[in-house]
Amino acid sequence: GENVEQHPSTLSVQEGDSAVIKCTYSDSASNYFPWYKQELGKRPQLIIDIRSNVGEKKDQRIAVTLNKTAKHFSLHITETQPEDSAVYFCAATEPLISNFGNEKLTFGTGTRLTIIP
Amino acid sequence: EAGVTQFPSHSVIEKGQTVTLRCDPISGHDNLYWYRRVMGKEIKFLLHFVKESKQDESGMPNNRFLAERTGGTYSTLKVQPAELEDSGVYFCASSQLAGRTDTQYFGPGTRLTVL
Repeated sequence: GENVEQHPSTLSVQEGDSAVIKCTYSDSASNYFPWYKQELGKRPQLIIDIRSNVGEKKDQRIAVTLNKTAKHFSLHITETQPEDSAVYFCAATEPLISNFGNEKLTFGTGTRLTIIP
Repeated sequence: EAGVTQFPSHSVIEKGQTVTLRCDPISGHDNLYWYRRVMGKEIKFLLHFVKESKQDESGMPNNRFLAERTGGTYSTLKVQPAELEDSGVYFCASSQLAGRTDTQYFGPGTRLTVL
């Protein structure tokens, strides 16, 4: 089955600097890669996702890059703000196994990002 | 639109007792997933319903866990009897349509502590 590794486990950056979180996956057939943000005491929320047919996607201060050959994808947050402090999870999906399948998510272990004011 | 809701938010039980967790997905969502995060590790898949049918239960740890989704609406996850290693946060997620990759919306989770 799919295996996702995520680094670093903790990350502290000065407000205004950039943060980068990296993930690798094992199943070359995986084709969908979402990133979730979980603030303290709240639910995981999707912040950005990328599919295997594109190499980069950007949404304001957040971007994700995907290297299918190397099987890794990264989250980039620019101009970090205190509200970016949270735990970030990357995930990958295994291919559909039937017409009724919606791929289950395999998650990384999470990165606790702290923005230092 | 109301999001995914879960009940209870916290549950503390003793080893050997039974606990039932409930998840109400977003109305109209065909897919319902259960995940679990244990001791700060990764969020792990437990099982997947498409409407009322179990599509994939490969992540269920053992036969002490029983999930149901009667009528294809809300779902329950029962742990009987609970063991210490069952402690963790249980998340439910739902997505709209079967057969395509849709965003999975997560509930707030149920924190289960087994003493």
